[in-house]
Amino acid sequence: QKEVEQDPGPLSVPEGAIVSLNCTYSNSAFQYFMWYRQYSRKGPELLMYTYSSGNKEDGRFTAQVDKSSKYISLFIRDSQPSDSATYLCAMSAVAGGTSYGKLTFGQGTILTVHP
Amino acid sequence: DTAVSQTPKYLVTQMGNDKSIKCEQNLGHDTMYWYKQDSKKFLKIMFSYNNKELIINETVPNRFSPKSPDKAHLNLHINSLELGDSAVYFCASSPKMTGTYGYTFGSGTRLTVV
Repeated sequence: QKEVEQDPGPLSVPEGAIVSLNCTYSNSAFQYFMWYRQYSRKGPELLMYTYSSGNKEDGRFTAQVDKSSKYISLFIRDSQPSDSATYLCAMSAVAGGTSYGKLTFGQGTILTVHP
Repeated sequence: DTAVSQTPKYLVTQMGNDKSIKCEQNLGHDTMYWYKQDSKKFLKIMFSYNNKELIINETVPNRFSPKSPDKAHLNLHINSLELGDSAVYFCASSPKMTGTYGYTFGSGTRLTVV
């Protein structure tokens, strides 16, 4: 079983829809949670960053972390065709753990927003 | 002004050859990484260096050897290339060794072994 599970999709939605992307994880040492967006033939770029549990909002994007359920989400409101990309969740552990210093990624969800 | 740059972008080579990929960052970050992304888009860490010191070596075959001449550069040399080495290799950097601030990635090197 992978440490981080993410449904690869693909997910196809109409423009303007609310998109929900999710990851589950098994390593309770993870404390830092990120979402990356990767366009085709490009490197991943950091979208959202959250420490521990809670919500964080940035424009049309909201990241949620529920550590008790080991579950994180990314919501995209008013989705646009330019949001079409692969979305990767990533996690990092606190200092001293075996995962220290590295990000562990989910497989990525392919999202297409059609006009 | 590219933050993390990798060369080459594309590399097609025959089995058994030796090849190198170069990476440079101009962000002043202390830590650099090599990640491998397979055909299913799964990103897996290979190595990390902090200020030229190897920190993570994640059960990668000995044929892969990273080298960091200074904290702005991290190169990857691969000996005796195999078909299974075909993937996209990403270089990344972060401000601190903890990785907790997230990474800045390069645009990747697409390696095809034939």
